Amino acid sequence: AQSVAQPEDQVNVAEGNPLTVKCTYSVSGNPYLFWYVQYPNRGLQFLLKYITGDNLVKGSYGFEAEFNKSQTSFHLKKPSALVSDSALYFCAVRDTMNYGGSQGNLIFGKGTKLSVKP
Amino acid sequence: DVKVTQSSRYLVKRTGEKVFLECVQDMDHENMFWYRQDPGLGLRLIYFSYDVKMKEKGDIPEGYSVSREKKERFSLILESASTNQTSMYLCASSLGLMVGEQYFGPGTRLTVT
Repeated sequence: AQSVAQPEDQVNVAEGNPLTVKCTYSVSGNPYLFWYVQYPNRGLQFLLKYITGDNLVKGSYGFEAEFNKSQTSFHLKKPSALVSDSALYFCAVRDTMNYGGSQGNLIFGKGTKLSVKP
Repeated sequence: DVKVTQSSRYLVKRTGEKVFLECVQDMDHENMFWYRQDPGLGLRLIYFSYDVKMKEKGDIPEGYSVSREKKERFSLILESASTNQTSMYLCASSLGLMVGEQYFGPGTRLTVT
């Protein structure tokens, strides 16, 4: 069965330091991978996605993510964190081999709260 | 920009009431989704629709129903609200079912007392 794991409930980073939010996945076929961010009392905003091609994907607000097939990971990164990056981050996966009524559905991780201190 | 709007940001209802949550998207997307978000559980799919009048159950459809009479509108219905349905409800839409990212509304925080 397809699944997504975000092993850290919370990540704390000092402003200006690099940040990493971890995500690992399990699928039957090739994965389509997504990162979303949720600011307090708001809906989710799309950050970036990996479908195929270059393993390093660049997205909104200076974020990037690296697809690693051998480690089944898709970690979110940013070279220099801002206080305004503090939010809840969700990784999601879509299994290209998952046929049937649920084909195309996104499976979300439980979320990682990022806290960036000045 | 894609815009997904939800009828209410905050809603308080009593146990047993029938509750309607409405979602409208303005980008002609075929696919629409309803999720609930609970702390520590992430997002869980309730129902989705890939065309007008079409609907598919997600992971937690019990206690909910949906309606999609027009392409831009997807309604979530709680036939008889219960306290365990207190949650944040998020609507989303997407263009492509496989490669397309989903665009989310601001959410409705529903409290059932």
